[in-house]
Amino acid sequence: DTAVSQTPKYLVTQMGNDKSIKCEQNLGHDTMYWYKQDSKKFLKIMFSYNNKELIINETVPNRFSPKSPDKAHLNLHINSLELGDSAVYFCASSFLPGANVLTFGAGSRLTVL
Amino acid sequence: RKEVEQDPGPFNVPEGATVAFNCTYSNSASQSFFWYRQDCRKEPKLLMSVYSSGNEDGRFTAQLNRASQYISLLIRDSKLSDSATYLCVVTHNAGNMLTFGGGTRLMVKP
Repeated sequence: DTAVSQTPKYLVTQMGNDKSIKCEQNLGHDTMYWYKQDSKKFLKIMFSYNNKELIINETVPNRFSPKSPDKAHLNLHINSLELGDSAVYFCASSFLPGANVLTFGAGSRLTVL
Repeated sequence: RKEVEQDPGPFNVPEGATVAFNCTYSNSASQSFFWYRQDCRKEPKLLMSVYSSGNEDGRFTAQLNRASQYISLLIRDSKLSDSATYLCVVTHNAGNMLTFGGGTRLMVKP
């Protein structure tokens, strides 16, 4: 029974398209995150939601729009995809904002052609 | 300068070897420190926290040097299954957001 599940696992698409990645956690955590891991393997936080409220919004282009319909779900929609958006996107969750232990999903590998 | 810096490696070591990784952080206000492990094409997972007095978990020893702003991870008696990327992680005051280093890749050979 996967704790943090994200779909799709792989996504290959053309520049300019719009795509979404979905994330769900069954851990009962209040806080969820989106991280981006680029080709150099740096993991950078993009967004954090606590109980459906946005609490962290790093300098991410506004083509990226997160949405949290409830505290167990955090989706990421990306408009007008660019080559530089190619990366692995990880969803994560924690009990509280600022909790030091994150549980990550398996990642969604996005390739923009 | 990146907030958390690590030697990317790879460190190639034989089974049974002892290997050590260092990580430096730039923000002196950093409060909490961790090592995460990431296997190839997998998600990061918490390996261990790093406490001021140093701490050990089996073959793994973590140390913190606040004065010099670095963290270390020592792995004794390396196993093939230790092959992975080890990510140094720090948090500081701003909402306790985790900041990840770029990782150090370890390859343990038979």
